[in-house]
Amino acid sequence: AQSVSQHNHHVILSEAASLELGCNYSYGGTVNLFWYVQYPGQHLQLLLKYFSGDPLVKGIKGFEAEFIKSKFSFNLRKPSVQWSDTAEYFCAVNAGGGSQGNLIFGKGTKLSVKP
Amino acid sequence: EAGVVQSPRYKIIEKKQPVAFWCNPISGHNTLYWYLQNLGQGPELLIRYENEEAVDDSQLPKDRFSAERLKGVDSTLKIQPAELGDSAVYLCASSLTSGSINEQFFGPGTRLTVL
Repeated sequence: AQSVSQHNHHVILSEAASLELGCNYSYGGTVNLFWYVQYPGQHLQLLLKYFSGDPLVKGIKGFEAEFIKSKFSFNLRKPSVQWSDTAEYFCAVNAGGGSQGNLIFGKGTKLSVKP
Repeated sequence: EAGVVQSPRYKIIEKKQPVAFWCNPISGHNTLYWYLQNLGQGPELLIRYENEEAVDDSQLPKDRFSAERLKGVDSTLKIQPAELGDSAVYLCASSLTSGSINEQFFGPGTRLTVL
């Protein structure tokens, strides 16, 4: 069965620090990859997604992620975090080409940014 | 544009009682999803609807959970009887169609506490 691993449960950074959140998935075929974010008190919202083409994808609010097929990874990055980036981040995979639309989520990484 | 609406936002019940959650998707979205999110975990799909048809309910515990989307718009998820382990957040999401290229928009969720 497909699975998604997010290695960091809780990350604490100071403002302006660089961020990288790890995400690995287990599936050998075609995948579509997503990062969702949940700000405190708000609902899940899409940060960025990868379907094909350039493995470096850019999302909202200065976030980007790189798909490395050989490593089954889709790590999320931001060069300089802000206090407002404090949130929980979820990596998700749709395996098999996306015809069904079912997402498999990781357990999430809570990011706390100290002002 | 209104987002996905869920009610109630919070529900506290005693075990063995029934409970129902309601979801109104974004207008025009044909696909509706119900997810379960346990504390410290990512969302897990319970059921997916294409219009009024449940096309994937493989993860729905059918002995106590049921769902319906009679007119292909809003949906209800029911638990009867509730157990202590059902305490979680129940999320509803919708998308234009089921292909993963279509972003899933999430509602705020219903936080259920079973005492």
